[in-house]
Amino acid sequence: GAGVSQTPSNKVTEKGKYVELRCDPISGHTALYWYRQSLGQGPEFLIYFQGTGAADDSGLPNDRFFAVRPEGSVSTLKIQRTERGDSAVYLCASSPEGRANSAFFGQGTRLTVV
Amino acid sequence: GQQLNQSPQSMFIQEGEDVSMNCTSSSIFNTWLWYKQEPGEGPVLLIALYKAGELTSNGRLTAQFGITRKDSFLNISASIPSDVGIYFCAGRDKLTFGTGTRLQVTL
Repeated sequence: GAGVSQTPSNKVTEKGKYVELRCDPISGHTALYWYRQSLGQGPEFLIYFQGTGAADDSGLPNDRFFAVRPEGSVSTLKIQRTERGDSAVYLCASSPEGRANSAFFGQGTRLTVV
Repeated sequence: GQQLNQSPQSMFIQEGEDVSMNCTSSSIFNTWLWYKQEPGEGPVLLIALYKAGELTSNGRLTAQFGITRKDSFLNISASIPSDVGIYFCAGRDKLTFGTGTRLQVTL
């Protein structure tokens, strides 16, 4: 597609459940980023992929959060044993090869943990 | 960790006025990006800056990459109602975001 696509756009889940959020980057973009944005805040870095490997996962808040990108294209952010504090908008961005290039964002997935 | 501070936090301006906002960092960045975000949407890239001292324009928008590589500013000339939104600066390589400047334009 023309832009970064994230699904679902909204997800409501019960506390303690497992969720998966999907990101389809712009075709040909080798770099992919996940961010979390709480209301009134700027996006907070979670993890960065270059190709299939996680080049920087220093932003993942704890071991309940995990992300994969097995074929270097689509990525899935996985959250285990969700907590109410995980509620936020999860944003994905992609950019061409090289961290110096511009990054383009999807519309985000709004996760609500009840 | 790295912190990007933006000022002002919010602005109320009249249509037609020029707007200026800036972003400062405790660390050096090699690339500065400016984004605009509207409610329910992801950030949209406005301008990218790749070299210290670089001044770049995109329509009514002008942005500069500070010489020290620790700051950047964004100007919007002749503001219009659709300029409303939150403006974020971001520094590469990890793409660390600033705190945002909320812009409101009144007629």
